[in-house]
Amino acid sequence: EDQVTQSPEALRLQEGESSSLNCSYTVSGLRGLFWYRQDPGKGPEFLFTLYSAGEEKEKERLKATLTKKESFLHITAPKPEDSATYLCAVQRGSRGNDYKLSFGAGTTVTVRA
Amino acid sequence: EAQVTQNPRYLITVTGKKLTVTCSQNMNHEYMSWYRQDPGLGLRQIYYSMNVEVTDKGDVPEGYKVSRKEKRNFPLILESPSPNQTSLYFCASKTSGTDYNEQFFGPGTRLTVL
Repeated sequence: EDQVTQSPEALRLQEGESSSLNCSYTVSGLRGLFWYRQDPGKGPEFLFTLYSAGEEKEKERLKATLTKKESFLHITAPKPEDSATYLCAVQRGSRGNDYKLSFGAGTTVTVRA
Repeated sequence: EAQVTQNPRYLITVTGKKLTVTCSQNMNHEYMSWYRQDPGLGLRQIYYSMNVEVTDKGDVPEGYKVSRKEKRNFPLILESPSPNQTSLYFCASKTSGTDYNEQFFGPGTRLTVL
């Protein structure tokens, strides 16, 4: 069974204090790893897709990286508006029409001014 | 505005009383899906649909039904709700294809079953 574990559960940062979130996964044949941002009372919002080990994606203060067993979401010099829950999800390699997606429980980031 | 809408946003009901949560998207997406989100468990996929009249089970389909008679709508039906179905439900849609890029989520429906 696919497993996605995110750590830490919660992260409190001072504005400007860079940090990293971890997403470790166990999946039979990774087709893609996805990062989403979720604000309170809203649905998740897509951030990145990573397909293979060594791949990196960047968007503003966020940078996602991927190894064979885990992914990191680096937040550089965060601002209060970066406060949100960050979700990681994996899609297993295609077997026939396998479109299932497995999510981690998320890391809630709070950035204080 | 491109969006996924869900109704109702909040619902309190009693055990055994059938209910339907509607989901509609205006992006002409082929793929639609339902998830539930519970504290500590993350999002879990209930059902998904690759296109009209094509649906398949996700990881937690027990106690739920879906139908896809029109491309834009994908209702979630609870025939006999139970307290363990109290949760936050999200509908999502995306274009066709096997990857989950750019999956758009609705605002969520908070369901309480007493």
